[in-house]
Amino acid sequence: AQSVAQPEDQVNVAEGNPLTVKCTYSVSGNPYLFWYVQYPNRGLQFLLKYITGDNLVKGSYGFEAEFNKSQTSFHLKKPSALVSDSALYFCAVEFTDKLIFGTGTRLQVFP
Amino acid sequence: DTAVSQTPKYLVTQMGNDKSIKCEQNLGHDTMYWYKQDSKKFLKIMFSYNNKELIINETVPNRFSPKSPDKAHLNLHINSLELGDSAVYFCASSAREKLFFGSGTQLSVL
Repeated sequence: AQSVAQPEDQVNVAEGNPLTVKCTYSVSGNPYLFWYVQYPNRGLQFLLKYITGDNLVKGSYGFEAEFNKSQTSFHLKKPSALVSDSALYFCAVEFTDKLIFGTGTRLQVFP
Repeated sequence: DTAVSQTPKYLVTQMGNDKSIKCEQNLGHDTMYWYKQDSKKFLKIMFSYNNKELIINETVPNRFSPKSPDKAHLNLHINSLELGDSAVYFCASSAREKLFFGSGTQLSVL
C-alpha cells in the first residue's frame, strides 16, 4: 500500500542549530514529494516539492529537502532554525493524482 | 476502521448541477478541514471548523458551503458547479499534534 511515514512526533532544536524533519515513503514508480507547514489556526502552506532533477530541493523560508531514492526518504532540513519555524510539518507524496500525507511532525525551536 | 472517511471517492457531474461531498471522522477530533488540490497538486485550504463553528474561511466562491451537523461531520455542498471546480477535495481532522486526511474525492465537472 502507498504510504508516507513521519517517524518523529516531535523534533526539538535550539535556535541557530540545524534541523531535520524526517519523512519516508512507500509508493511505486517515481514519486512527486511535497512538504507542507501548518501554523496554529491556519491551513497547510506549501513549502517545497520534488519532481525530478537535483536531489536537493530548495523551498520557502530557507527550508530545503533531500530526496534519497535508495532510502525512499525526503527529509526536510534547514541550516539554522528560527523560533518562528515552530509549527507542524507534513510530508506528502503524490499517487494517482492524489496526495497522501504523513500524520505530521511538531517542530519546536527553543530560544 | 477508516479514521477520516469521505464519500464519494469519485464524482462526475454536469456543469450547473449541485452536489455534496460528505466527510466523517471517528477520531473524536474537534477540528475539521476541507482542502482543494489543484491541477498542480498544490493543496489549498478552503474551510476549517472547530466544534461545529467556522474558524477559517479562505477566499472561496459562495457556491461552496460547508455544513457541520456535529463535530464528527463536515460536509461540503457545491451549487451551480463549474468546469473550474474539477479537482480533488480532501477532508481532514486534527487534534493537537496530528492531522489526518481522508482519501480524497475526485470531482470532474463536464
